[in-house]
Amino acid sequence: GDSVTQKQGQVTLSEDDFLFINCTYSTTTYPTLLWYVQYPGQGPQLLLKVTTANNKGISRGFEATYDKGTTSFHLQKASVQESDSAVYFCALARTRNMGYKLTFGTGTSLLVDP
Amino acid sequence: EAGVTQSPRYAVLQEGQAVSFWCDPISGHDTLYWYQQPRDQGPQLLVYFRDEAVIDNSQLPSDRFSAVRPKGTNSTLKIQSAKQGDTATYLCASSLGRGENERLFFGHGTKLSVL
Repeated sequence: GDSVTQKQGQVTLSEDDFLFINCTYSTTTYPTLLWYVQYPGQGPQLLLKVTTANNKGISRGFEATYDKGTTSFHLQKASVQESDSAVYFCALARTRNMGYKLTFGTGTSLLVDP
Repeated sequence: EAGVTQSPRYAVLQEGQAVSFWCDPISGHDTLYWYQQPRDQGPQLLVYFRDEAVIDNSQLPSDRFSAVRPKGTNSTLKIQSAKQGDTATYLCASSLGRGENERLFFGHGTKLSVL
């Protein structure tokens, strides 16, 4: 079945540091890959999405590249701000049975010190 | 445009008690999802509906959990006899698009603690 792995449980950075969050996936075909961000007390919000047609997604200064060779979908940002502190989830999406099934990773908690 | 609305925001109960969660999706969204998110984990799909029909409830613990969406709008998720392992945040999401254009919008969730 589909699975998503995020090995980093927590990342602590200072403002203006470079962010890199690791994500790898396992599946039998080429799914749509997504990053969600979840702020305290809120539901996950879509940050960016990449399909097989467009290998790279960019949103709000974040970017992720779909690498089929290494089955990775790492999230990067050149310069983080305190407001980026949140939990980031990598997810894999499949369209099936009149629905859109998401498989989430365990999440990476980002804390940015001012 | 109003987002996905869920109530209550919090629930605390003893093992064996029943609880219901309510979800009002974004107007016009025909697909509605319920996810369970244990602490420090990602959301996990429980059940989803297209209009009033259950499309997939294979991950719903059917002996104690039930979900309905009778008019294809609001939905209720019920736990009949809660266990400590049910402690989690229950998220509702709705969507309208199809295929790769589909996008889920999540509510704030109901945080359940079973003592």
